[in-house]
Formats: sequence, structure tokens, C-alpha cells
Amino acid sequence: AQSVTQLDSQVPVFEEAPVELRCNYSSSVSVYLFWYVQYPNQGLQLLLKYLSGSTLVESINGFEAEFNKSQTSFHLRKPSVHISDTAEYFCAVSLNTGGFKTIFGAGTRLFVKA
Amino acid sequence: DTGVSQNPRHKITKRGQNVTFRCDPISEHNRLYWYRQTLGQGPEFLTYFQNEAQLEKSRLLSDRFSAERPKGSFSTLEIQRTEQGDSAMYLCASSSPTGYTDTQYFGPGTRLTVL
Repeated sequence: AQSVTQLDSQVPVFEEAPVELRCNYSSSVSVYLFWYVQYPNQGLQLLLKYLSGSTLVESINGFEAEFNKSQTSFHLRKPSVHISDTAEYFCAVSLNTGGFKTIFGAGTRLFVKA
Repeated sequence: DTGVSQNPRHKITKRGQNVTFRCDPISEHNRLYWYRQTLGQGPEFLTYFQNEAQLEKSRLLSDRFSAERPKGSFSTLEIQRTEQGDSAMYLCASSSPTGYTDTQYFGPGTRLTVL
């Protein structure tokens, strides 16, 4: 069975500081990896995904995540955060066999302070 | 297309009543998913449709829960004899497999409160 562990439930950080949100997964087969973001009072939105190829994936708003197979991790990073990045971030995995079932972590609340 | 829509957005009901939620996926998407999200947790998979066929149900989905997608378009999730433990956000997502990927697009959710 697959599982996802987000190691931090809350991450407070000052504006313009770097941030890393940690995600580890467990699976006996290869997986696809995702980060979703949920802004206050909004639905989940896909932030970025790893399917294959380059292990470093980027989003349009400056976030990046690196797939590390040996450490079974998919940490999310941003070199300089903005107030508007305040949201809940969810790491997720699905099987890469055309898998349809997605397993989510419990989420990490990023709070950016001025 | 405006994305996945869900109705109602909020539902308050008394314990023991039945409730039904509706999800309208993105029009060209043939896959539809239901999830449940409780406070402080990530979404938990409930069930999945490909077109009108329900292909998997989670063990989280008790006999009081039923989902349908009769024409392969919109879907309904019904909860019979609601319990306070059913209080949660119910999320719907849809996708259209292109190649080997399956990126799911989520609706805003229906928040259920059982009194």
C-alpha cells in the first residue's frame, strides 16, 4: 500500500525568506508525485507534478520540487516566499500504472508573515 | 469551461436524514472521483468512475453511501441516515487521461455538517 507523510503540519516563515515543505512517500511500485495547493476558501489546485524524466520540476509561481528515489522524498521549495503563498499544501502520490487512486498527505499549512 | 462544479456548497442536516450532493465535471473528462476531507487531514479517496462505470470503492464508503454517474457526465453522492461522523468536506475531481498521466482537477467541495 502507498502512503504519504508530510513531516510538518505548520510552517511559519517571514516574507522573502526561503521555505522547504517536506514530503516522504512509501510505495512498493513506481509512483507519480504531485503537490496541490489549497488557498483559503478555495478548492485544491495542482501546483506541480513529477511523472518521469528530470527529477526537478517547477511551477509557474516559483515553486520547485525534486524527486529523490533513494530517499523516497518529494520536497517542495521556494527561494523567496510572498504573503500570497499562505495556503495549505498537500503532497500526493498515485501509481504509475495508469493509476487513478491518489493518496494525499495530511497537509502542511504555510503561513507567510510580513 | 469553468471547471468542476459542486452543489450545494454547504449542507446542514440533522442526524438520520439523507443528503445528496451533485458534481459536474469538466465536460470532456471521462474520469470522476469523490474524496472526503476532514479538518486537518488531506483528502481521502472514496470512489472513482470511468464514464458511467464505478470502478472502485474505498472501504471508507459504508453501505450508507452510494454514488452514481448515470450518463457518464454529472455524478451524485448520497448519504443515507447521516451520522455526526459524516461531517466533512466532500470533494469531487475529474480528469481525462492523456498519455500515461491522470491529472485531477478539483471542485470547490460541499461542506456537510450533521447536527
